[in-house]
Amino acid sequence: DVVMTQSPLSLPVTLGQPASISCRSSQSLVHSDGNTYLTWFQQRPGQSPRRLIYKVSNRDSGVPDRFSGSGSGTDFTLKISRVEAEDVGVYYCMQGTDWPRTFGQGTKVEIK
Amino acid sequence: EVQLVETGGGLIQPGGSLRLSCAASGFSVSSDYMSWVRQAPGKGLEWISVVYSGGTPYHAESVKGRFTVSRDTSTNMVFLQMNSLRVEDTAVYYCAKGGMGVWGKGTTVIVSS
Repeated sequence: DVVMTQSPLSLPVTLGQPASISCRSSQSLVHSDGNTYLTWFQQRPGQSPRRLIYKVSNRDSGVPDRFSGSGSGTDFTLKISRVEAEDVGVYYCMQGTDWPRTFGQGTKVEIK
Repeated sequence: EVQLVETGGGLIQPGGSLRLSCAASGFSVSSDYMSWVRQAPGKGLEWISVVYSGGTPYHAESVKGRFTVSRDTSTNMVFLQMNSLRVEDTAVYYCAKGGMGVWGKGTTVIVSS
């Protein structure tokens, strides 16, 4: 199985400041079709996960443009350009290239 | 509007069985693959099962042989039959569409004596 490793696991941030979460996979996530299926989810307290980013850098509809995804191969990053109060929650990366799907451990974002 | 609603959770004794349902609206369950993902209390997300658009199921090793995913295209629903339940199966169970752009609110399963 592909192992997904996130860092940091806890991220205290100041409102209005940037934040960055790293996600590394144990093998390349480049699919045989040429796409890289790396997805980011946000889970606010008490809510279901919400997809933010798919295929590394594509934002879902309604996702603020302060969220951006980048990376390739085995190294990926989710960036929040200016953290807002509503961004508090846990962020997960997930690989969608191979079965079984596997998630990172989650990164808890909180306000300092 | 595309929507998923899970039902069927509850309190069950170890060794028991439970059947979860996921009602889909706004799209056909035969048009995309459908996954079940669970989240134990205070823990992260774990993918456990998928039923492909053609109906073929696939399960994670942690539930293989105990859980069975299926779908009914006539009712537009997806199911998760869970047998031989263990305490460690206690979790919120979510169904999700395709590349997981749509999730339900989840249903809670508690396995305890």
